[in-house]
Amino acid sequence: DAGVTQSPTHLIKTRGQQVTLRCSPKSGHDTVSWYQQALGQGPQFIFQYYEEEERQRGNFPDRFSGHQFPNYSSELNVNALLLGDSALYLCASSSRGTVSGNTIYFGEGSWLTVV
Amino acid sequence: EDKVVQSPLSLVVHEGDTVTLNCSYEVTNFRSLLWYKQEKKAPTFLFMLTSSGIEKKSGRLSSILDKKELFSILNITATQTGDSAVYLCAVERAGTALIFGKGTTLSVSS
Repeated sequence: DAGVTQSPTHLIKTRGQQVTLRCSPKSGHDTVSWYQQALGQGPQFIFQYYEEEERQRGNFPDRFSGHQFPNYSSELNVNALLLGDSALYLCASSSRGTVSGNTIYFGEGSWLTVV
Repeated sequence: EDKVVQSPLSLVVHEGDTVTLNCSYEVTNFRSLLWYKQEKKAPTFLFMLTSSGIEKKSGRLSSILDKKELFSILNITATQTGDSAVYLCAVERAGTALIFGKGTTLSVSS
């Protein structure tokens, strides 16, 4: 049973560029949430996708956008990258639109460094 | 503003020591409090607490919640080097995503 898979694991981008991160949820899950974890900080909720729509959003600018595909996988896009966007981006998988509790599973994350 | 505060932010102990990690919160519409262990990447689930005074245990780890004083503690007895990690406390509000604290970095030396 595949868990939550994310790609790429590491990447380096230049300020002003755009980046796309990908997530495949755990088998049987249909909801994907994205979190940003800066160094020395706890994860912060970016947004959640369920039934191919953004259902909830945290306090992040419009430069952060996403998409969910019919197979439940998801992408996180960040435009006009800033140095402060450097962080570990975690994907969390769950079912039926849930965003928390003990039934969510985190992926290994994508380390983004902006130089 | 909702917030979750963990203390200490870091600590170093020797193998065999007992440690207590703290988590206090101010969150509206509280639903549950969760503890995670994070070793480099994906947080892994440890406990979910919903009721005051009921201790959850798993091996050498235990946790309890005080909903009156708005805090939780995570205890680790007989620490091992494999316990070295960041321990995250998160609070679940009804119908919304988790609110995390900054985490406590635990280093266990042999």
